[in-house]
Amino acid sequence: SQQGEEDPQALSIQEGENATMNCSYKTSINNLQWYRQNSGRGLVHLILIRSNEREKHSGRLRVTLDTSKKSSSLLITASRAADTASYFCATDADSGGGADGLTFGKGTHLIIQP
Amino acid sequence: NAGVMQNPRHLVRRRGQEARLRCSPMKGHSHVYWYRQLPEEGLKFMVYLQKENIIDESGMPKERFSAEFPKEGPSILRIQQVVRGDSAAYFCASSGTGYYNEQFFGPGTRLTVL
Repeated sequence: SQQGEEDPQALSIQEGENATMNCSYKTSINNLQWYRQNSGRGLVHLILIRSNEREKHSGRLRVTLDTSKKSSSLLITASRAADTASYFCATDADSGGGADGLTFGKGTHLIIQP
Repeated sequence: NAGVMQNPRHLVRRRGQEARLRCSPMKGHSHVYWYRQLPEEGLKFMVYLQKENIIDESGMPKERFSAEFPKEGPSILRIQQVVRGDSAAYFCASSGTGYYNEQFFGPGTRLTVL
């Protein structure tokens, strides 16, 4: 499997419920970033978690990172119809810091049913 | 504070023609990245540039594709003699000089090759 692989591939929940998406990766990372993409649109940066961080919050979003398991999760609480989108994790390989191209997974397609 | 700008948003070319995609990074950002997204797929890194320098082109096809980021003006991704398989969304991202490489994406250029 490729670096930065999300699970599940698709998720459908009722409005108001919580949505959890997972991401696994293979190599050592400098950081991991989550993005949202609405159909046919660009990517919106949601949150960056550094390799020395374990959890980070931003509004209704909570991201965890477990470097020993090479995995991350994105939790969206109290989901809304507007959260319907594809969610991608992207890893920045640990090459000593600084800029690198990100490695993306195929994404989780989240559908919020009204 | 304008975000990453890309133009055109949509581009239609016939096989054998050239495609030129432009990207202006966020103000204050000196790193530019190009990614390609095929339908229902995640983004694939193509090339990373700084002003007048290609830093990493490990994701670029060896033929027909080139990229530049001149001292003045936008970054250009150029595809010569396009083929149907080049049809995709091409995204540009930019980042600052910080250690953690938070990348912000433009709206993308959707290339269709007839």
